[in-house]
Amino acid sequence: AQRVTQPEKLLSVFKGAPVELKCNYSYSGSPELFWYVQYSRQRLQLLLRHISRESIKGFTADLNKGETSFHLKKPFAQEEDSAMYYCALRGAGSYQLTFGKGTKLSVIP
Amino acid sequence: DVKVTQSSRYLVKRTGEKVFLECVQDMDHENMFWYRQDPGLGLRLIYFSYDVKMKEKGDIPEGYSVSREKKERFSLILESASTNQTSMYLCASNLAGKAETQYFGPGTRLLVL
Repeated sequence: AQRVTQPEKLLSVFKGAPVELKCNYSYSGSPELFWYVQYSRQRLQLLLRHISRESIKGFTADLNKGETSFHLKKPFAQEEDSAMYYCALRGAGSYQLTFGKGTKLSVIP
Repeated sequence: DVKVTQSSRYLVKRTGEKVFLECVQDMDHENMFWYRQDPGLGLRLIYFSYDVKMKEKGDIPEGYSVSREKKERFSLILESASTNQTSMYLCASNLAGKAETQYFGPGTRLLVL
């Protein structure tokens, strides 16, 4: 069975401080990993996916197969980064996404 | 721009009522999904559909059914609403290729009294 774990329900950081949102997964094959974000009163939207290897809004995430992790990082947090962040996994050949329970990021001015 | 719409933003129903939640997408996506979103539990998949009249159970299908009579529309049905079905319901869609991104609707917040 596949599982996604986000150990922090809430993460508070000061503006300008580095941010790391943790995500660990359990899956026996080669997964596809995603980060989704939901800003206040907005719909859930894709932030980034590991196969793209891109930086979106200053965020990056690297898939570490040895540690089965896909942590989301940003060197300098901004107030507009405050949101709910979900890590998600899709198994090979699957239609389904398995989501973590989410981490609420609060950036303190 | 992909548009996924849900028929209601807020809904209040009574225990035992039959409830229909509608989702429409305008991008000719083959796959459609229904999730519920609860604080501390994240998103959990209820049902999904990969074609008209096709459906698959997700992780928590009990108490729900779905209907997909047309490609653009995917309905979630609560046959007899219960208070533990009070939640935020999210619809999503994507193209048939399994690597495609899912696009989400704005959500329907359902309160069952």
